[in-house]
Amino acid sequence: GAVVSQHPSRVICKSGTSVKIECRSLDFQATTMFWYRQFPKQSLMLMATSNEGSKATYEQGVEKDKFLINHASLTLSTLTVTSAHPEDSSFYICSARGRVADTQYFGPGTRLTVL
Amino acid sequence: GESVGLHLPTLSVQEGDNSIINCAYSNSASDYFIWYKQESGKGPQFIIDIRSNMDKRQGQRVTVLLNKTVKHLSLQIAATQPGDSAVYFCAEITTDSWGKFQFGAGTQVVVTP
Repeated sequence: GAVVSQHPSRVICKSGTSVKIECRSLDFQATTMFWYRQFPKQSLMLMATSNEGSKATYEQGVEKDKFLINHASLTLSTLTVTSAHPEDSSFYICSARGRVADTQYFGPGTRLTVL
Repeated sequence: GESVGLHLPTLSVQEGDNSIINCAYSNSASDYFIWYKQESGKGPQFIIDIRSNMDKRQGQRVTVLLNKTVKHLSLQIAATQPGDSAVYFCAEITTDSWGKFQFGAGTQVVVTP
C-alpha cells in the first residue's frame, strides 16, 4: 500500500519558536495533502487542505498565519507552526491522496510539545 | 460523523468473540466511507472502505455494513484478537467536497484475554 512519512516524529520546543513538520508520500504522487490535529482521546480535526502548487485551504477557525502550509512538490508538504505556544501542543497528522483514488493514506503523526 | 466528544466510547471484547463497532454519519450526500484503526501514538491505518452503492463489503476478518436509510455504518471484526485493541474511526466522504474526510468520534476497542 501507499506509504506516507512524517518528520520529525516527536518535537519539543520552547514557547515562541517555530516548528516545521514534513509530510512525504514515498511511493506515489500526492496531488492533495491534508493536515489534521488530534488532541488526546479525541477524533482527528482537519486543519487544512493543500494542493500541489497552490495555496492551502484552511478550515474555519484555523489561523493561516500561524499554521503555514507549503506543498511545493507532488511528494512533499510542510506545516510550520509559527510562534508556538503550549496550547499548540498536539498530535499533528498528515495524509496524502493520489490522483485516482479517494482514499487518504495517513502519516505516522508528529507529537508536538511546546514548553 | 458523530460529533466530537471529550471522551471515547469504549467497547470491551473478549478475545475470540466478534466485535461490532457502530458509527452514525451526518451527511446524506456522503458517498464513500472508510474505517480506520489507530493505535496509540500512531497515525490511522486503513481497514476497509465501502461506496454508497453497496450495503456490505467483506475483507479479511472484517465486514462493513452500510444502511443509508438511517445513515448508519458498522464494522464487524470476527474472532477479535489482542492486536485489534485500538481506536476505530469511521470517515465519511462527499465526492464533491474536494475529498475531505469527516471523521466520527471514534470507539476504543479493548480486547481482554
